[in-house]
Amino acid sequence: GAGVSQSPSNKVTEKGKDVELRCDPISGHTALYWYRQSLGQGLEFLIYFQGNSAPDKSGLPSDRFSAERTGGSVSTLTIQRTQQEDSAVYLCASSYLKGSYSPLHFGNGTRLTVT
Amino acid sequence: GQQLNQSPQSMFIQEGEDVSMNCTSSSIFNTWLWYKQDPGEGPVLLIALYKAGELTSNGRLTAQFGITRKDSFLNISASIPSDVGIYFCAGQLYTSNTGKLIFGQGTTLQVKP
Repeated sequence: GAGVSQSPSNKVTEKGKDVELRCDPISGHTALYWYRQSLGQGLEFLIYFQGNSAPDKSGLPSDRFSAERTGGSVSTLTIQRTQQEDSAVYLCASSYLKGSYSPLHFGNGTRLTVT
Repeated sequence: GQQLNQSPQSMFIQEGEDVSMNCTSSSIFNTWLWYKQDPGEGPVLLIALYKAGELTSNGRLTAQFGITRKDSFLNISASIPSDVGIYFCAGQLYTSNTGKLIFGQGTTLQVKP
């Protein structure tokens, strides 16, 4: 079956504009994660969704960032009033959370460039 | 926040050589994982470790979950050019029930044919 799909693969936007990034997780995966990867850095956790539970938003860097997951499947990460420091690769991952742990499967990311 | 210290930051080796990289933390982890990322792609899982002391192999790759649950290493034997990429360690804190992973900063591996 298909893996995690993210769109767009690349996005260039002007400072101050809003952007939406989309993630289609693997079918049947109950957990969905957003991470951010800045140039030469590791992955920084942003937000986590699991079923109907309240999302874990502890990693969102500011109130300009928000995310939603509709119908327990597709997720959208929204960045309002983008800043140059928002430039990064935004990675989505999903997993089937069963028992103590199930490994994350990542999409290829959206490369965001804010000019 | 919690951090994973991954080293070395980068390696440039000759094809055929063995490679070793490791991650340490001051926190205890339930799970350690090693991922590889190729340019323009997302990280791909290489090895997952679930128990302290566990030693697991995947082809030429071997990884271990430290007995203190605060560290892990990854070895690659007889490196080949396609081993080039960025290797990340990642861990799930023992206090976490969400599956959320904390990632190291990555080790960039270059292999000279």
